[in-house]
Amino acid sequence: QKEVEQNSGPLSVPEGAIASLNCTYSDRGSQSFFWYRQYSGKSPELIMFIYSNGDKEDGRFTAQLNKASQYVSLLIRDSQPSDSATYLCAVNTGGFKTIFGAGTRLFVKA
Amino acid sequence: NAGVTQTPKFQVLKTGQSMTLQCAQDMNHNSMYWYRQDPGMGLRLIYYSASEGTTDKGEVPNGYNVSRLNKREFSLRLESAAPSQTSVYFCASKSREGYNEQFFGPGTRLTVL
Repeated sequence: QKEVEQNSGPLSVPEGAIASLNCTYSDRGSQSFFWYRQYSGKSPELIMFIYSNGDKEDGRFTAQLNKASQYVSLLIRDSQPSDSATYLCAVNTGGFKTIFGAGTRLFVKA
Repeated sequence: NAGVTQTPKFQVLKTGQSMTLQCAQDMNHNSMYWYRQDPGMGLRLIYYSASEGTTDKGEVPNGYNVSRLNKREFSLRLESAAPSQTSVYFCASKSREGYNEQFFGPGTRLTVL
């Protein structure tokens, strides 16, 4: 079992819809959780982080964490074509190493 | 601030050749990282340096060596390149363990023929 798992996609949603990206992790000691966006040919950039159970909202983005279920998700409201990218889920257990999922490709149709 | 910089941006090597990938950060971060990214595999950690003077192996260290030259610079060396090392290499830095995000450089696209 991979330590951080994501559906590779592609996930295709129409413009203006809600995109829902999911991630599961195996280490129950994980403490911090990150979502990175990566455009084709570019480096990853952080869009959200969450440490506590529940929801965290930042503009059109909402991160959701459920430690009991070892599940973290990212919702993108009012999806735009510019949101089309690969979204990487990353998990840190408190040490120096962060484990990345393979990423979910999102395609927003205009 | 330039953030995290990497050189070169592109490189083509022949099997058996050696090269060093350079990385520097100007954010005064303590820890630095080298990842490789292959299609469908996500980011895999090669080596990391928790602080100046220390280095540790990550998930896929074989065939690589690193040097933490000072707090700013962390280099990755391929002593004898192999086609399996064809990949995109990212350097990253982070200010302290645990909670802070990692900042990534622009990447080096390496092809080994």
